[in-house]
Amino acid sequence: AQKVTQAQTEISVVEKEDVTLDCVYETRDTTYYLFWYKQPPSGELVFLIRRNSFDEQNEISGRYSWNFQKSTSSFNFTITASQVVDSAVYFCALSDWNTGGFKTIFGAGTRLFVKA
Amino acid sequence: NAGVTQTPKFQVLKTGQSMTLQCAQDMNHEYMSWYRQDPGMGLRLIHYSVGAGITDQGEVPNGYNVSRSTTEDFPLRLLSAAPSQTSVYFCASSPGRRGTEAFFGQGTRLTVV
Repeated sequence: AQKVTQAQTEISVVEKEDVTLDCVYETRDTTYYLFWYKQPPSGELVFLIRRNSFDEQNEISGRYSWNFQKSTSSFNFTITASQVVDSAVYFCALSDWNTGGFKTIFGAGTRLFVKA
Repeated sequence: NAGVTQTPKFQVLKTGQSMTLQCAQDMNHEYMSWYRQDPGMGLRLIHYSVGAGITDQGEVPNGYNVSRSTTEDFPLRLLSAAPSQTSVYFCASSPGRRGTEAFFGQGTRLTVV
């Protein structure tokens, strides 16, 4: 069975600190997709990134970066120089190779508080 | 472009009542889903559809029905509401099958008393 574990329930940092959100997944499949979504206090869900299991290259987008390590089944998300606007719940998610966002297993989420 | 629209945004039901949560998307997406979000549990898939006339169960389908008569609409019916169905419900759509992300509606906060 597939499973996504986000062990950090809540993280609190001060603005400008770097913060890493952990994501560990379980799947018997050798091919799959991983996602990160953001849920700001307003409640909507916003897609951040998608990775397929063949692509272990790290990705950087502005202050955001993602580290995918298939050997440890992890897909961690780092925010550099955090800002108050980064305060949100962040979800890591997993789908099998023949599906995508419409059929996804989500982690429980990590609530990030960034204090000014 | 409205994206995914859910109605209502808030609803209070009494135990045993039935109701339908509406979901419409105007992006011509083939794939649609319903998730529920509960504290500490992330989002869990209730039902999904891979096209008009085709639906299937997700992780937590009991107590819910769906149908998909058009590409645009994917309503979720609660047959006999229970307090355990108190949750935030999200409708989502995806343009493709493999690896495409979901586009989510704003959510419906449902309370069953």
